[in-house]
Amino acid sequence: GENVEQHPSTLSVQEGDSAVIKCTYSDSASNYFPWYKQELGKGPQLIIDIRSNVGEKKDQRIAVTLNKTAKHFSLHITETQPEDSAVYFCAASRNTGGFKTIFGAGTRLFVKA
Amino acid sequence: NAGVTQTPKFRILKIGQSMTLQCTQDMNHNYMYWYRQDPGMGLKLIYYSVGAGITDKGEVPNGYNVSRSTTEDFPLRLELAAPSQTSVYFCASSPVLSGNTIYFGEGSWLTVV
Repeated sequence: GENVEQHPSTLSVQEGDSAVIKCTYSDSASNYFPWYKQELGKGPQLIIDIRSNVGEKKDQRIAVTLNKTAKHFSLHITETQPEDSAVYFCAASRNTGGFKTIFGAGTRLFVKA
Repeated sequence: NAGVTQTPKFRILKIGQSMTLQCTQDMNHNYMYWYRQDPGMGLKLIYYSVGAGITDKGEVPNGYNVSRSTTEDFPLRLELAAPSQTSVYFCASSPVLSGNTIYFGEGSWLTVV
């Protein structure tokens, strides 16, 4: 069946460095790719998303890139801060053929002060 | 500005007991979901609903039941709890079925002993 692979599972960076998390999806009909941040003891919250007609989207220190041909997309966080420490989930979704949103397994990001 | 509200936040169950996790949303979303998140793992869809009176199975429905009598409420019932159901449960909702943001509750931590 369809799946979303997410790497790495754990990422540790120094404060101020950049962090990159990568996801690969298998369902070629996917056309919406959100990223969620889950802080300790909380539910996931959307931080940025991208649709299939766009190659890149940026919102302050975070950006997402999408390569539909290769079926992969990435989250980039620049100038990381300790409050960026959390678990990040990617997902791939399509709006045809019923409900289909598949989540990656998550990346635990540690930002060291 | 409540969003998606889940209760209880924590619960310990004995094997064979039953319980209901409550979920309510005030965003007038037609679509609601229940996910489970095992330690260090991603989100697995248990059940979802596209509107009052309509529910459907997700990836891991065994051992669970749901109902959707109103737009706002989507309770999850665990019958004959088993240790394998020890997990964090997230209720969520969205304005459309796919291809858009999913809004999550804060989670319910369930331990079956």
